[in-house]
Amino acid sequence: DIVMTQGALPNPVPSGESASITCRSSKSLVYKDGKTYLNWFLQRPGQSPQLLTYWTSTRASGVSERFSGSGSGTYFTLKISRVRAEDAGVYYCQQVREYPYTFGAGTKLELK
Amino acid sequence: QVQLQQSGAELVKPGSSVKISCKASGYTFTSYDMHWIKQQPGNGLEWIGWIYPGNGNTKYNQKFNGKATLTADKSSSTAYMQLSSLTSEDSAVYFCARSPNYYYWGQGTLVTVSS
Repeated sequence: DIVMTQGALPNPVPSGESASITCRSSKSLVYKDGKTYLNWFLQRPGQSPQLLTYWTSTRASGVSERFSGSGSGTYFTLKISRVRAEDAGVYYCQQVREYPYTFGAGTKLELK
Repeated sequence: QVQLQQSGAELVKPGSSVKISCKASGYTFTSYDMHWIKQQPGNGLEWIGWIYPGNGNTKYNQKFNGKATLTADKSSSTAYMQLSSLTSEDSAVYFCARSPNYYYWGQGTLVTVSS
């Protein structure tokens, strides 16, 4: 199975600052079609996860431009600009490159 | 609009089975895979598998072979997951989520296994 390893954040993050979350995969997530199959989700307390980005950097419909995904191969980053109270929660990366699909353990974002 | 409405919380005994549902609306049910994801209390997310309601094809995480069985009823646009031989390790919130890309999620169903 592909192992997804997420980095931690130096919580709490001051409101208005930027935050970057890293995610590393144990195998390249580039598929033969050239796309890189990495998703990012935010799960707020008591809610279902919300898709933020897919194919590494494509923002999901309705997601703020403050969220941007980047990376390639096995190393990925989700950057959150001008952090706001509503961004608090746990962020997960997920690979959908091969079965079984796997998630990172999650990175908690707390705001100051 | 697309909605995935899951069944309510279940309290079940060890060794028994439970079947939870995910009723879809707002789109053509038979055209998209439905995925199931497990989240144990305080833990992360684990992918269980998917079913394609159009033809009943399924794909499972090998870890859940023999534990989870995915089915779908086209007439009611409802996907089901049956969990068998339940133990405390199966106590979790279970989500359904639609492909592609998991944009749409159900609200989750809490399953508690306790005697």
